[in-house]
Amino acid sequence: EAGVAQSPRYKIIEKRQSVAFWCNPISGHATLYWYQQILGQGPKLLIQFQNNGVVDDSQLPKDRFSAERLKGVDSTLKIQPAKLEDSAVYLCASRLQGAGETQYFGPGTRLLVL
Amino acid sequence: AQSVSQHNHHVILSEAASLELGCNYSYGGTVNLFWYVQYPGQHLQLLLKYFSGDPLVKGIKGFEAEFIKSKFSFNLRKPSVQWSDTAEYFCAVNRGGYNKLIFGAGTRLAVHP
Repeated sequence: EAGVAQSPRYKIIEKRQSVAFWCNPISGHATLYWYQQILGQGPKLLIQFQNNGVVDDSQLPKDRFSAERLKGVDSTLKIQPAKLEDSAVYLCASRLQGAGETQYFGPGTRLLVL
Repeated sequence: AQSVSQHNHHVILSEAASLELGCNYSYGGTVNLFWYVQYPGQHLQLLLKYFSGDPLVKGIKGFEAEFIKSKFSFNLRKPSVQWSDTAEYFCAVNRGGYNKLIFGAGTRLAVHP
């Protein structure tokens, strides 16, 4: 079974530029998550999708971050404009619907904002 | 706000030593508990999870964890570590009925041969 795919794996940009990350979840997984992991910290949830609808985006900085999952499969997370403090690893995870199901994580995109 | 505390940020052990990593959470209701591991250069993967039933949970690679409700704890243990256990370990909590993980800051384990 293929895992969660993410691209790019690494990205370096200057502050105020924009950047986009892509995630393709495990086939059949209805729930998709984006996390931000700052160096030395655990992952922090940014947004959760159930199919193509947003379930929780309470910790997404909506003035600069946006995410979509238009067809209920793959998803894009965008930052515009980026700030220095956005330097982090952005993790995508997916999960089958139903209680007791595990979240499976992708390899992440490491972003450095200069 | 719900939080997850991992007491040790860095742990260094010799092979064959016993391991215990602490994890405490602040939420008082029904919780689901997880330990994830991230080996160098790899992505997060599940070690073990607790949803209900026997509070002593066994996971992959000889790891186990014990849920102690009265102490709000879910400590990870392994009786004899190997060099290949060198990794970062994350405790995570999911409130019952919600499918949102809250992670601790992680514990970086280094095992010396």
